[in-house]
Amino acid sequence: SAVISQKPSRDICQRGTSLTIQCQVDSQVTMMFWYRQQPGQSLTLIATANQGSEATYESGFVIDKFPISRPNLTFSTLTVSNMSPEDSSIYLCSVVTGPAIAQHFGDGTRLSIL
Amino acid sequence: DQQVKQNSPSLSVQEGRISILNCDYTNSMFDYFLWYKKYPAEGPTFLISISSIKDKNEDGRFTVFLNKSAKHLSLHIVPSQPGDSAVYFCAARKAGNMLTFGGGTRLMVKP
Repeated sequence: SAVISQKPSRDICQRGTSLTIQCQVDSQVTMMFWYRQQPGQSLTLIATANQGSEATYESGFVIDKFPISRPNLTFSTLTVSNMSPEDSSIYLCSVVTGPAIAQHFGDGTRLSIL
Repeated sequence: DQQVKQNSPSLSVQEGRISILNCDYTNSMFDYFLWYKKYPAEGPTFLISISSIKDKNEDGRFTVFLNKSAKHLSLHIVPSQPGDSAVYFCAARKAGNMLTFGGGTRLMVKP
């Protein structure tokens, strides 16, 4: 399966600031997704990152808060904007390669907002 | 509306015995079901999947059973090993390859 690298692996940020998380894959992938895992919770899909067009957001998530880019088939970024303590979570990138069923995940970015 | 539920937050099993993790769903439109294992500070790792048209899929020590009429699936691990200790997530797939995850079950396998 593809090797997925997320940067940064963790960060501590001040409220009101923004952070951009990068997801790099070692091969071209069919689909890329961004998830959030809040403390003690399950994984929740934020959006599907579409190559060359605007991301598709799930209910409860908006582009102004979580802008996403996907300039090519191996790279995507998620920005968490105007952060508040409620945004403290693990943010995960996942990919699907070819016709496969399973999504494969990066190790995540652990974000804490003070 | 929680479409995928794992009602047991934790499970403790003796090494060598069987571990059975359960998952219930409500949406009949899911076409695949997947199980992931997650260690602390790592992303979820895919374990096994099953199509909604099957009732069993086996891969080594891992077997997934699907009961469509009950909207229930289970993951069996036999024999359980201490390295299997992790959080297990059930996930269901629908159109667009989007996954809906359950809340997870923490499995502890005691030596």
